Amino acid sequence: AQKITQTQPGMFVQEKEAVTLDCTYDTSDPSYGLFWYKQPSSGEMIFLIYQGSYDQQNATEGRYSLNFQKARKSANLVISASQLGDSAMYFCAMVDPRSGYNKLIFGAGTRLAVHP
Amino acid sequence: GAGVSQSPSNKVTEKGKDVELRCDPISGHTALYWYRQSLGQGLEFLIYFQGNSAPDKSGLPSDRFSAERTGGSVSTLTIQRTQQEDSAVYLCASSLARGAFSYGYTFGSGTRLTVV
Repeated sequence: AQKITQTQPGMFVQEKEAVTLDCTYDTSDPSYGLFWYKQPSSGEMIFLIYQGSYDQQNATEGRYSLNFQKARKSANLVISASQLGDSAMYFCAMVDPRSGYNKLIFGAGTRLAVHP
Repeated sequence: GAGVSQSPSNKVTEKGKDVELRCDPISGHTALYWYRQSLGQGLEFLIYFQGNSAPDKSGLPSDRFSAERTGGSVSTLTIQRTQQEDSAVYLCASSLARGAFSYGYTFGSGTRLTVV
């Protein structure tokens, strides 16, 4: 069955430094999509970045990049030059291709604290 | 509308009462999803709508939970005879028709339900 694992319940980083949030996934399907979402204390889920299983290059969006290692089934999020506003919960998610639609399966999340 | 709108933002109800949670998706988004997020947990899929039909209701935890969508737009999630374990944040999301998942979902800010 499809599964997303985030092994870091909490992380902290110094402002302006880079941080990597881990995500591993399990699927037997060759076609899938991976997402990262940010959830600040206000509660809304904010889409950050997407990686398709057939994409040749790692996805990047501004300060966010996805370190996609397909053979290891990992899709770690790298945040460069951390800012205080990056403090939030971060969720890794995967489209369940067997659902036939865009059903997302979420990991348990990692709480990131950025210290000044 | 510009984003996904959910109401109410907060709801406190007595055990045994029925509640209705509303979601107004982005105009033109044919797919709509309900998720539940219990305290400190990841997101749990509840139900998926394509247009007004719900081809996947597999995440609804019991027959006390039901949902409908009318006019291909607004959706209502109803919980009958609420229990304390129903306390959670209920998140709604919408997306373009399936196949556009590289854009992810757009989530609403959620309804925080507290059953006392």
